[in-house]
Amino acid sequence: ETGVTQTPRHLVMGMTNKKSLKCEQHLGHNAMYWYKQSAKKPLELMFVYNFKEQTENNSVPSRFSPECPNSSHLFLHLHTLQPEDSALYLCASSQGRRGDEQFFGPGTRLTVL
Amino acid sequence: RKEVEQDPGPFNVPEGATVAFNCTYSNSASQSFFWYRQDCRKEPKLLMSVYSSGNEDGRFTAQLNRASQYISLLIRDSKLSDSATYLCVVNIANYGQNFVFGPGTRLSVLP
Repeated sequence: ETGVTQTPRHLVMGMTNKKSLKCEQHLGHNAMYWYKQSAKKPLELMFVYNFKEQTENNSVPSRFSPECPNSSHLFLHLHTLQPEDSALYLCASSQGRRGDEQFFGPGTRLTVL
Repeated sequence: RKEVEQDPGPFNVPEGATVAFNCTYSNSASQSFFWYRQDCRKEPKLLMSVYSSGNEDGRFTAQLNRASQYISLLIRDSKLSDSATYLCVVNIANYGQNFVFGPGTRLSVLP
């Protein structure tokens, strides 16, 4: 399935490391999203980009830094993370209208030691 | 109060049963509503959007009650393949997208 891809699929990092998650969508969409899914908690929307501009930041700590160089690519830069940041990070995309379906990538399973 | 709440589940039903899930949302300005399903260790996928007049897609029927801020999903003639977690999703943004997911309701359809 090539609609929304994410790399890496698994990542283990120490609290002092810097790493980046990558998302790419091949659907011609204009909006991209980062979500966090922790065990026993609902999906949490972290960031929204529309036409490369950030339109939502749901009080995410600054140790998470998104970047959207174009409508097809989205990055999440990670630095000085905490063990409680261990989770599944999902990327999604949509056409960009309010009622549009989101298409999700398979996620990156992140473990912070 | 949480922004989106769902039946806690899990629901364990026999094949062929009819099962209904409920969802309530707190933001009265919410404009768009969805049901997604998520299989174990997989990403969420859209099951259906929910329209004000209610809508049906095969064995699935979704209803929206704006006055009560309540959304429902009815599954008729349950199949084993319906086993999944069902997520209620609300867009709380006046313009654009700010999606809030409910905690999900787990369904197991038993043979």
